[in-house]
Parts: sequence; C-alpha cells; structure tokens
Amino acid sequence: QQQVKQSPQSLIVQKGGISIINCAYENTAFDYFPWYQQFPGKGPALLIAIRPDVSEKKEGRFTISFNKSAKQFSLHIMDSQPGDSATYFCAASPFNDYKLSFGAGTTVTVRA
Amino acid sequence: GAGVSQSPSNKVTEKGKDVELRCDPISGHTALYWYRQSLGQGLEFLIYFQGNSAPDKSGLPSDRFSAERTGGSVSTLTIQRTQQEDSAVYLCASSTRTGFYEQYFGPGTRLTVT
Repeated sequence: QQQVKQSPQSLIVQKGGISIINCAYENTAFDYFPWYQQFPGKGPALLIAIRPDVSEKKEGRFTISFNKSAKQFSLHIMDSQPGDSATYFCAASPFNDYKLSFGAGTTVTVRA
Repeated sequence: GAGVSQSPSNKVTEKGKDVELRCDPISGHTALYWYRQSLGQGLEFLIYFQGNSAPDKSGLPSDRFSAERTGGSVSTLTIQRTQQEDSAVYLCASSTRTGFYEQYFGPGTRLTVT
C-alpha cells in the first residue's frame, strides 16, 4: 500500500491562481519530504524539499508547508503559470535513507 | 553536462519474451536506482546500487526481474517472461553517495507488453 497519500489526483487552475497539493503519511520515521515535478516524456526533477525542523520552505513561487503533528505536508504554487502545467509528486523517506516513498501524483493544468 | 540517459525510449514486446532496459547514470554518480511508474501510480522503488556494495533488491516484484551494474556505471534491468502487468515506464536515477537525497532521473523507458 502507498505510504504517502496524495490529493487531488488532478486540478485545473487559471493563470495567476494558486495551486495546492496535499500529502499525508503515517510512518513517523519519515524525515525528508521532497516534491518532484514531471513534464510529459521526461523523468521527474526535484523541485523543492523540506525537513521536519521547519514548518515552511519557500523557493520562488513554490512553497512547502509542513505539519508534523498532523503528518501532512503540502505544495503551494503561487501565481500559477502555463509552464507549471505538469505532474507533481510528493515523496518521503526516513533520515539518511535512499528509499523514497512516492505519492500517486497530481496533474496540474494551468489555463491561460 | 550530460544527464541520466536510458535506452530504448520505447519498447513493445510480446508476452513471454525477455527484455533488457539500459541506464547510463551521470558520470561520477556512485548511486543508481530503478523505479517503475505505472499509469496513475506513483513511482515504485525496484532496486538500488551503491558503489561495490551488494544491491538492495527489496523492491523487485518477482524473480523475473533482475538488474546488474557493470563497472560501477551502466546498469541493465532485465525482465524475463514478460507479462502484461509489466507494462509501465521504467525510470532510472542516479545520485552522489552523500547527496542521495537528490536523485537525478532519466527520461524513462516505456514498456508495452502485448
């Protein structure tokens, strides 16, 4: 069974809007939470990542929010652009462990 | 520099045939991973190689799947007696030993078993 549950499966947002993707996990050993972005025909690429010692991390228009007590984390894409249209995967792994557990992915479509 | 490359990009095979998928990691990356991505699913870990250490094969779904890494570089994933449920995109990734958190993925091989 998937150790990381991701929602929604897909979303459509207007250009300039905010895209929000949520992930939840049960394994309290998870200590590293990356987000990957995948364009059609390409492999996933690391977008942004967070460790549990902070509740939020921002890089440009992308922000991860992390709630350790709820075992949830989310990706916010601010001022969404058509070039952000892609599939986004959340993932998690224990500290110092190479084995990432991935969510099922969210396909984001940004309408111009 | 060059990223992770995989070949072939697409493979169509008949049920029961064997297939070999190839991965060329980024030069200098000692860690190499194989994942499977099925439609509507996340990435499923298959196998991990690190230098000369014994690989972690814990994600291989059956004994029809095997992988090897020659000379600490190129890797081949072999699927014997393919089944229709093996149809998926097979992704390879590599990383440095200390930076295994950041895995660099290749474009994948789309395998279709008819």
